[in-house]
Amino acid sequence: GAVVSQHPSRVICKSGTSVKIECRSLDFQATTMFWYRQFPKKSLMLMATSNEGSKATYEQGVEKDKFLINHASLTLSTLTVTSAHPEDSSFYICSAPRDTLSYNEQFFGPGTRLTVL
Amino acid sequence: AQSVTQLDSQVPVFEEAPVELRCNYSSSVSVYLFWYVQYPNQGLQLLLKYLSGSTLVKGINGFEAEFNKSQTSFHLRKPSVHISDTAEYFCAVSQGTSYGKLTFGQGTILTVHP
Repeated sequence: GAVVSQHPSRVICKSGTSVKIECRSLDFQATTMFWYRQFPKKSLMLMATSNEGSKATYEQGVEKDKFLINHASLTLSTLTVTSAHPEDSSFYICSAPRDTLSYNEQFFGPGTRLTVL
Repeated sequence: AQSVTQLDSQVPVFEEAPVELRCNYSSSVSVYLFWYVQYPNQGLQLLLKYLSGSTLVKGINGFEAEFNKSQTSFHLRKPSVHISDTAEYFCAVSQGTSYGKLTFGQGTILTVHP
């Protein structure tokens, strides 16, 4: 089946620094990827839709200047948490549909646990 | 707007017992329905999906779910669980026009005891 990877799996950073998380589709091209955030003991919440070659679409309430998304190629989307603060600590998960005919069949990455001290 | 409610946050069961994890959704338009499983420190894995057709959907690992439009439910069932089924299960919904955007329920932690 399709594989989506994320790097790093865990990151710890100091408050005020920026952290970049990579999401890669390993055996298929993804013109669209999705970024989710999962709070402890909570469900996943969609943050934004990453579109290859164009600007990301952010969900209501998500700060686009804080969570920078770049979809530079058909296999890579990056999420940069800028000027991170402890409240940004969370589990970030990306997903990608295999193709435009199966948007509703998502393949999820293993997630990145961010801890901001 | 669409929403998903998983009625049980935790479900403890004994091995080889049957289990049902409940999911209700609300939407003003037709939806696609999914169940995902998340094992500790791993990403989400698709268990099964309902897109159209038969309302009884069979998935991996012996799980099945039934789409009930009148009750807006999509409950997940397994007739006999194993220790290895211990995980968190998420119900999710997307609309046909949402191009893959998923709305998730709160999750149900299934714990199978020996």
